[in-house]
Amino acid sequence: EAQVTQNPRYLITVTGKKLTVTCSQNMNHEYMSWYRQDPGLGLRQIYYSMNVEVTDKGDVPEGYKVSRKEKRNFPLILESPSPNQTSLYFCASSLRGLAYEQYFGPGTRLTVT
Amino acid sequence: AQRVTQPEKLLSVFKGAPVELKCNYSYSGSPELFWYVQYSRQRLQLLLRHISRESIKGFTADLNKGETSFHLKKPFAQEEDSAMYYCALSSYNQGGKLIFGQGTELSVKP
Repeated sequence: EAQVTQNPRYLITVTGKKLTVTCSQNMNHEYMSWYRQDPGLGLRQIYYSMNVEVTDKGDVPEGYKVSRKEKRNFPLILESPSPNQTSLYFCASSLRGLAYEQYFGPGTRLTVT
Repeated sequence: AQRVTQPEKLLSVFKGAPVELKCNYSYSGSPELFWYVQYSRQRLQLLLRHISRESIKGFTADLNKGETSFHLKKPFAQEEDSAMYYCALSSYNQGGKLIFGQGTELSVKP
């Protein structure tokens, strides 16, 4: 089944403890992106990747890192999480950029205390 | 700066009534506009794109460059249309950057 998967789905952590949220797609998509969703603010793009080894900042990249070593995986890294990064995170992929439909993952709910 | 504004947080209509979800944008270049929808307990999904000029589930949206708007319309709302709707903006020369509006929750009452 074609899909975008994220792990973990729920995570509670403490300030400063490094964490990684994984994102994987099995559709051979070139484009992948991370978003955060907050009440009243909608979705905001964190980082995106047009292809392997090509990443670029979205609207709110501060406090986050990404890497794209393989086509299928696009992990989101929080080196030193802070409470203001408590949010619902979505990963998405598309065949080749935004001209094609984005397929979204199920979301990861992160709480930083 | 690029911006997408959805002025209504919540829009409540009765079944069979017309629906218009507003979206205004600010962008100086050539925009590409999208509507995304998130039904309860489902993943966010693309509803329609302005360049494809299609009608999906009875919804249409026309890009008005003069008014910088991309309102989503449906002549007769159905209960299954109840969902969260997001307008989003990209540009042809900015690769994969995507700006979303704050979202509008549509509630269709029986």
